[in-house]
Amino acid sequence: KAGVTQTPRYLIKTRGQQVTLSCSPISGHRSVSWYQQTPGQGLQFLFEYFSETQRNKGNFPGRFSGRQFSNSRSEMNVSTLELGDSALYLCASSLGTGSSGANVLTFGAGSRLTVL
Amino acid sequence: AQSVTQLGSHVSVSEGALVLLRCNYSSSVPPYLFWYVQYPNQGLQLLLKYTSAATLVKGINGFEAEFKKSETSFHLTKPSAHMSDAAEYFCAVSGGSNYKLTFGKGTLLTVNP
Repeated sequence: KAGVTQTPRYLIKTRGQQVTLSCSPISGHRSVSWYQQTPGQGLQFLFEYFSETQRNKGNFPGRFSGRQFSNSRSEMNVSTLELGDSALYLCASSLGTGSSGANVLTFGAGSRLTVL
Repeated sequence: AQSVTQLGSHVSVSEGALVLLRCNYSSSVPPYLFWYVQYPNQGLQLLLKYTSAATLVKGINGFEAEFKKSETSFHLTKPSAHMSDAAEYFCAVSGGSNYKLTFGKGTLLTVNP
């Protein structure tokens, strides 16, 4: 079956602009999570959506937002981009039910954002 | 609160040698533990997971990890390194009800011919 698909794979923006990243989960997965990966901070949790509702949120400013559609596809948006937002943004999908700890995440290849 | 510490940001081994990547965790609830691998320009791929069944967990590509509660450790091993094992490895912990993974900083594995 198809894996997690993220688009675009690469993009370049300038400070002050906004960006929207898209994630299509594995068919049947209702949970979508987003992580930011940078060399300095490593992998940091942004937020998680389940059945169109944000269920969990990490410690990121309000410039970072997301949403999930009825088909489980998700988008994240970053407004007023800063240089420090340059990162690999990873999306992961899972069933999202049952024990959270046993909930296995399947990751996409990521969207690499460069802010100039 | 949960946290993960990976000892050694960079490990270098010779092809055919033992691979040992260290991971210690902290968790206020019974933990679920994972190892993921990331190849260049790719996302994370699950190697193995511990979910309170057997303490010795076998994963893909010949990797295994042992959960030691007394040492709060979940070290990853492979008896014989292959060139294709060169990648970055991440240990992660989950627990409670927040459907969130907390990752370590990662260990870059280099395999020398």
